[in-house]
Amino acid sequence: QVQLVQSGAEVKKPGASVKVSCKAFGYTFNTYGINWLRQAPGQGLEWMGWISTKHGNTNYAQKIKGRVIMTTDTSTSTAYMDLRSLRSDDTAVYYCARDDFYFDHWGQGTLVTVSS
Amino acid sequence: ETVMTQSPVTLAMSPGERASLSCRASHSISSNLAWYQQKPGQAPRLLIYGASTRATGFPARFSGSGSGTEFTLTISSLQSEDFAVYYCQQYNDWPFTFGPGTKVDLK
Repeated sequence: QVQLVQSGAEVKKPGASVKVSCKAFGYTFNTYGINWLRQAPGQGLEWMGWISTKHGNTNYAQKIKGRVIMTTDTSTSTAYMDLRSLRSDDTAVYYCARDDFYFDHWGQGTLVTVSS
Repeated sequence: ETVMTQSPVTLAMSPGERASLSCRASHSISSNLAWYQQKPGQAPRLLIYGASTRATGFPARFSGSGSGTEFTLTISSLQSEDFAVYYCQQYNDWPFTFGPGTKVDLK
């Protein structure tokens, strides 16, 4: 069955970078886009951006544009989200989710804690 | 950016009751609306897409309606497993945006 399996929790200092991975199982990777979203503690969902797994083109939310890079490795069916210059308000659970518009399968989430 | 709002913030209900959750878009999004259910400690699950099409795994007591700017999620008879937070999301244009959520709580 379709599964998205994310990398484990991270603790980072302000100003550092974090790279979260999302490995896909159970479907042909390059037939669906991958979105990244995040959820701060006790808060709602925020869409961060999308990457085409077929062509590699991206669309990032304005709020984090310039600090985020999304990539894929089709040979391993894995998507990556690299967030730089981390701040305390980047502390959140980060999710990858399949599809180009609505999100029919989600990863289990990766907690990224930014703290000095 | 399309701003999504949801009401109420919290809905205190008893099992067996009918729940109606509202979602509004700041401008027309046609039927490009999804609903998600999220339980504590879990990732969200796709519940409804295309404003009214139920996703795999959800029973018929869940239904979605609306188009343009006004949408409703109805749970016809609440079961214990339905107590959760529900988010609406528009995918009519980028950036995709979510409403702040409605928590369906046990009265």
